[in-house]
Amino acid sequence: EVQLVQSGAEVKKPGESLKISCKGSGYSFTSYWIGWVRQMPGKGLEWMGIIYPGDSDTRYSPSFQGQVTISADKSISTAYLQWSSLKASDTAMYYCARHPGYSSWADYWGQGTLVTVSS
Amino acid sequence: EIVLTQSPATLSLSPGERATLSCGASQSVSSSYLAWYQQKPGLAPRLLIYDASSRATGIPDRFSGSGSGTDFTLTISRLEPEDFAVYYCQQYGSSPWTFGQGTKVEIK
Repeated sequence: EVQLVQSGAEVKKPGESLKISCKGSGYSFTSYWIGWVRQMPGKGLEWMGIIYPGDSDTRYSPSFQGQVTISADKSISTAYLQWSSLKASDTAMYYCARHPGYSSWADYWGQGTLVTVSS
Repeated sequence: EIVLTQSPATLSLSPGERATLSCGASQSVSSSYLAWYQQKPGLAPRLLIYDASSRATGIPDRFSGSGSGTDFTLTISRLEPEDFAVYYCQQYGSSPWTFGQGTKVEIK
């Protein structure tokens, strides 16, 4: 069974750093892309970027380039999304999702990680 | 960046009725690289349709997708109680991939 299991909810202060994770199982982790999607409270879905764990090829949406870093550790089948300095506007639910190819749909999704940034 | 505009924003229907959701693109979506997702409160999105008209694994055949170029449609032939949710379209033909703003299908 394909599963993407994300790390738990986080509460952080502005300026702090954070790295959240997404662990894949039940499939060949290095053969599929992993994308990240933001959903701000009460709002729609926003595509942030995508990584191919096989060779760490990473692409970002211009809206998120320079704001976050996407990475992966194929030895433990885990992808990451990280911030070096959080802002209150980063408060959102973040989802990871599996893509069969670069230009492809997201067929399996993680359960989401809620990030709250508040002073 | 391709902007996707979904209409209507809210669709009020009764169980058993037909739902027609639209997704318009600001420029042509190459190779009909468009997907539809369903999201219920507190849950992650679920893939319904990919490549504009292909149903994902396990999706009932009351869900169908159509369209090409700049105009796409998701049709739910007969609404079941579990179909009341928010629906998003997404294009993955031109980077950055983008989502529509969503259509909420609510019980009338």
